[in-house]
Amino acid sequence: EIVLTQSPATLSLSPGERATLSCRASQSVSSYSAWYQQKPGQAPRLLIYDASNRATGIPARFSGSGSGTDFTLTISSLEPEDFAVYYCQQRSNWPWTFGQGTKVEI
Amino acid sequence: QVQVVESGGGVVQPGRSLRLSCAVSGLTFSSYGMHWARQAPGKGLEWIAVIWYDASQKYFADSVKGRFTISRDNSKNMVYLQMNTLRAEDTAVYYCATQRVDSNDYWGQGTLVTVSS
Repeated sequence: EIVLTQSPATLSLSPGERATLSCRASQSVSSYSAWYQQKPGQAPRLLIYDASNRATGIPARFSGSGSGTDFTLTISSLEPEDFAVYYCQQRSNWPWTFGQGTKVEI
Repeated sequence: QVQVVESGGGVVQPGRSLRLSCAVSGLTFSSYGMHWARQAPGKGLEWIAVIWYDASQKYFADSVKGRFTISRDNSKNMVYLQMNTLRAEDTAVYYCATQRVDSNDYWGQGTLVTVSS
């Protein structure tokens, strides 16, 4: 199975700052990657699919990039509601897999 | 709007079985694949199974292959996860989710399964 490694594990930032989250796959997944946001006690919410496409209703401050084995989620200017855990996912090969998560904290 | 509601969680002894159900409304259910994922307490997300819109194909994570099965009833807008030979490490919140529908996917709030004697 494809292993996804996210870095850093924790990102400590302030509102208004830029967040850059990384995800590296153990083999190429082309552009078949996604990013999810999860807050405590809530289900995951899709942010980005196919590496760079924003899901419905996702603010423009969220952007995704990359292809092959390296992907990035960028939050251009953190809002208070953006402090959460973020997971990357590959949808290239079965079984689909998630990264271990990056916690964005204040 | 699309709603996804899981049910069937609870406390079960190791080695026993449990069936989770997932009810979906607000979309043409028979046109979309469905997924199950889980999250152990304090841990990350784990994708575990998918079933095609017509049940023609199914895939599983290695951790559950041979123990879990997935099925659906398109006449009832339901998808099921049959979990056999449960282990302590299967303790988790289990989520049901649609495949991507246009530019989104839809998740339920999850149902907690606790495997303990």
